[in-house]
Amino acid sequence: DVKVTQSSRYLVKRTGEKVFLECVQDMDHENMFWYRQDPGLGLRLIYFSYDVKMKEKGDIPEGYSVSREKKERFSLILESASTNQTSMYLCASSLRRLAGFNEQFFGPGTRLTVL
Amino acid sequence: EDKVVQSPLSLVVHEGDTVTLNCSYEVTNFRSLLWYKQEKKAPTFLFMLTSSGIEKKSGRLSSILDKKELSSILNITATQTGDSAIYLCAVDNYGGATNKLIFGTGTLLAVQP
Repeated sequence: DVKVTQSSRYLVKRTGEKVFLECVQDMDHENMFWYRQDPGLGLRLIYFSYDVKMKEKGDIPEGYSVSREKKERFSLILESASTNQTSMYLCASSLRRLAGFNEQFFGPGTRLTVL
Repeated sequence: EDKVVQSPLSLVVHEGDTVTLNCSYEVTNFRSLLWYKQEKKAPTFLFMLTSSGIEKKSGRLSSILDKKELSSILNITATQTGDSAIYLCAVDNYGGATNKLIFGTGTLLAVQP
């Protein structure tokens, strides 16, 4: 079974702190994704990566950065946390595109509260 | 702009009812449509529908893709309290080196005893 794990289920930080969210997958997937999920807005893509050291901006990258130094690990960084970054953060991974099959496997999520 | 729209936003039913959830999309290069179920944790995969597989069924859940109408429905018959969840629809908008999914806002289903 594919397993995607995230470093914390719940996290409370203060405004201005630097925050690291870690995601690890154990299925040798090439693609990894970071989303945030807010009520009424669904899942919005922050950043994704299709290979080690490769990254691309998603729909809402402002205020975030990412790092992918190893294939299995994808980190999301909030350089200076703000209250509007309070959200549920979901990590996902998938194989490089096969013919029509692109299921993404999700981690359990990190609920981040910024005070 | 590519978008996926789900309706209704939320729904309350009683056990045993049948529900139909809707998903419509406007994307430039449709490849497939996926349904996920999200309880209090990670979304879990339900179905994928493509041009070559427009209908899927698993137990009490079934889904149909209408490529002409650019939409899909997810049916749940004889609902149970365990079906209470957010149901997410996502579309694979083909293009580039990776497969991004465009998600709808989800439908929150509550099944009451």
